[in-house]
Amino acid sequence: DQQVKQNSPSLSVQEGRISILNCDYTNSMFDYFLWYKKYPAEGPTFLISISSIKDKNEDGRFTVFLNKSAKHLSLHIVPSQPGDSAVYFCAASLIQGAQKLVFGQGTRLTINP
Amino acid sequence: DGGITQSPKYLFRKEGQNVTLSCEQNLNHDAMYWYRQDPGQGLRLIYYSQIVNDFQKGDIAEGYSVSREKKESFPLTVTSAQKNPTAFYLCASSMDSYSGANVLTFGAGSRLTVL
Repeated sequence: DQQVKQNSPSLSVQEGRISILNCDYTNSMFDYFLWYKKYPAEGPTFLISISSIKDKNEDGRFTVFLNKSAKHLSLHIVPSQPGDSAVYFCAASLIQGAQKLVFGQGTRLTINP
Repeated sequence: DGGITQSPKYLFRKEGQNVTLSCEQNLNHDAMYWYRQDPGQGLRLIYYSQIVNDFQKGDIAEGYSVSREKKESFPLTVTSAQKNPTAFYLCASSMDSYSGANVLTFGAGSRLTVL
């Protein structure tokens, strides 16, 4: 049972344009969401997070939006740069007793020059 | 520099052999985790430890074993009972796992290939 889903395995975007990565979840108890970025043969690195009391969190070129009623979150990258090419994982957890994160399958983002 | 060190980076194993993957952290984090990554499946939790001398099974613990004798170290043994061990293994740590935002710091990973 996949509680966190990223339905697009890959996404290709022109440099300078906006990249939008999507993530859906099924467990309405999740109250904390994160995005991780992963380059090949490296571990994921934390990118940005959002708690369920917010619907938007911004950090430079990265913005995460949360739609609790739709159980959907998205990551916007603008403008997209070649160094953004990586696999992006969304993850969800419970803030209280957050023993573990549940990860989506990942979306491979390719930024084309 | 604080971080997580995983070794070896690449490991080949014959069927029927046990292998141990090392994970060391100098972040003074209480909690440590092992994840497995397979193509198209994201990261799945194998084991986690919230404190020294204690650990819990994750979602796919069968065929694996761990120990947590020191705060800094959380080795993972892939036993011969693991039916499909070829994968990329990631170790992670966090300040704690009881409360608050649980941001994990990951190591660079170990790729295990069974021949």
